Amino acid sequence: AQTVTQSQPEMSVQEAETVTLSCTYDTSENNYYLFWYKQPPSRQMILVIRQEAYKQQNATENRFSVNFQKAAKSFSLKISDSQLGDTAMYFCAFMRGQAGTALIFGKGTTLSVSS
Amino acid sequence: AAGVIQSPRHLIKEKRETATLKCYPIPRHDTVYWYQQGPGQDPQFLISFYEKMQSDKGSIPDRFSAQQFSDYHSELNMSSLELGDSALYFCASSPYGSPREKLFFGSGTQLSVL
Repeated sequence: AQTVTQSQPEMSVQEAETVTLSCTYDTSENNYYLFWYKQPPSRQMILVIRQEAYKQQNATENRFSVNFQKAAKSFSLKISDSQLGDTAMYFCAFMRGQAGTALIFGKGTTLSVSS
Repeated sequence: AAGVIQSPRHLIKEKRETATLKCYPIPRHDTVYWYQQGPGQDPQFLISFYEKMQSDKGSIPDRFSAQQFSDYHSELNMSSLELGDSALYFCASSPYGSPREKLFFGSGTQLSVL
């Protein structure tokens, strides 16, 4: 079975600073995807970034980038130039590379951005 | 752009009652997922359907059942409701073709069991 571990229940950062959220996972699969989702107080689940396991290049989306270390099974999210709107719960998630299979979430990290 | 539609947005039920939650995926999305998220918890996968067939199953109680219909909408039926079933229930859909792994989430149905 796959597991996703987020070791930081809460983090805080000042506006314009950079913050890194950690995530590790465990799987015996070779074909899979990794994701970071954001859930603001509205509780809407929003995809931040995704990474295909077969790609060595780290994914980036504007201020968001990941550090994907496949051998170490590590998938951290870096948020640059943090904004107040980044305040949310962030979930790391894993999915096997087969249509319709479960997206497995970590326990989440609550990020607070202050001015 | 069309999004995943869930109804109702809020539902209040008594213990031992039944509830039906509905999910309408984005057009041309053939895969539907159901998740349960308790207060302050991570979303727990319940069940998924691909082309109207169950494709994966998670921690769905035997009191719950779900199906996907010919128009691809899905319903989650919950019977003998318990206080612990109070949660936000998400539906998500993913598209036919690439990228299949990209899930689009609805806004959820908040179920309160009294």
